[in-house]
Amino acid sequence: EPEVTQTPSHQVTQMGQEVILRCVPISNHLYFYWYRQILGQKVEFLVSFYNNEISEKSEIFDDQFSVERPDGSNFTLKIRSTKLEDSAMYFCASDRILNTEAFFGQGTRLTVV
Amino acid sequence: QKEVEQNSGPLSVPEGAIASLNCTYSDRGSQSFFWYRQYSGKSPELIMSIYSNGDKEDGRFTAQLNKASQYVSLLIRDSQPSDSATYLCAVNYLTSGTYKYIFGTGTRLKVLA
Repeated sequence: EPEVTQTPSHQVTQMGQEVILRCVPISNHLYFYWYRQILGQKVEFLVSFYNNEISEKSEIFDDQFSVERPDGSNFTLKIRSTKLEDSAMYFCASDRILNTEAFFGQGTRLTVV
Repeated sequence: QKEVEQNSGPLSVPEGAIASLNCTYSDRGSQSFFWYRQYSGKSPELIMSIYSNGDKEDGRFTAQLNKASQYVSLLIRDSQPSDSATYLCAVNYLTSGTYKYIFGTGTRLKVLA
């Protein structure tokens, strides 16, 4: 069964460093998302992406965040200068048709020290 | 601000009983509703989607939607200890010509053997 895959599963980084989280969405999906979940809190929307551009972003998704689809398969989230409060699980999701089910990757646990 | 509200629980039910999970949402224009299951430290896993008023059944799960009351619920019949998890309600909101999923905080379900 097709699935969304994310790498790495766990990333530890020092405060101020740049990190890139990678995702391979399901191959025939067109809409891509990043969400994050701080430990013990709700899943929060960060950004949606369609047709090689950002469709919507939340107030969390400030200038230190960026997304890219560098080729036909990968979808990346870059955090330019990490802060302690960026420590969270980051989930990538995709769906095939707008307004239908989104399927989530297994997540990347980001720890900023 | 679009809101999705859930009782955080924990909701404890004995094995074999029916578990009833509830969710309310704020935007009357929402059209798509989803239930995800999340085990501790794992990513959300889609259980059910529902788009029309009424009931939708899939195995032991039944989703119920009442758009007039802005209410969606999930019933789990014959609850098993393996159903113990956090259940996330998600609503798809139309925004800026695209959709984004807004999650509730989740209800923690404990099925007692």
